[in-house]
Amino acid sequence: EVQLVESGGVVVQPGGSLRLSCAASGFTFDDHSMYWVRQALGKGLEWVSLITWDGSRTYYGDSVKGRFTISRDNTKNSLYLQMNSLRTEDTALYYCAKGSIPGPTAGSLDYWGQGTLVTVSS
Amino acid sequence: EIVMTQSPATLSVSPGERATLSCRASQSVSSNLAWYQQKPGQAPRLLIYGTSTRATGIPARFSGSGSGTEFTLTISSLQSEDFAVYYCQQYNNWPPITFGQGTRLEIK
Repeated sequence: EVQLVESGGVVVQPGGSLRLSCAASGFTFDDHSMYWVRQALGKGLEWVSLITWDGSRTYYGDSVKGRFTISRDNTKNSLYLQMNSLRTEDTALYYCAKGSIPGPTAGSLDYWGQGTLVTVSS
Repeated sequence: EIVMTQSPATLSVSPGERATLSCRASQSVSSNLAWYQQKPGQAPRLLIYGTSTRATGIPARFSGSGSGTEFTLTISSLQSEDFAVYYCQQYNNWPPITFGQGTRLEIK
């Protein structure tokens, strides 16, 4: 059974930093691209970042580029999101998701975690 | 950036009836289009990928069609558990990967 479990979400002040983690199990982690997607309360889905299977390529949405860094540790089946210079508009539920297509390309997201809540507030 | 526009924003349908949800892309996404279902308090669930292929475990009453810029998700006979928010997503021209704003399917 595929499982994705996010952690690390807390209340943080504007300008602060945070690191989210996602523990993966039930599939061959290093075969798949992995994603972070966020959802503000009552709003739609926003793609945040993607990392290819081997970590060699990373991609970001314009709203987080230069502030967030995605990474992975395939020896630990774990995905991370380092979030710096946080803004109030970064407040959201952050989901870790698995790419459905093995390999380095983007595709649909076939498994999602339950999310971890990040609140940026003074 | 490809903008995905879903219509209608809210759709009211009676149980047992057919629901048709639309998704339009601002430029062609070929067949690289997925649909997700999200219920309150839950993570999104993949329904359809590649425009028309049902994901594992998705009932046959869910079907997808279209190509290029116009796509449709059809639920042939609505069950109580189908009332939720539905999102389309393109993965043809990326980054960024983009989602539609969602269609809320509610009980009439």
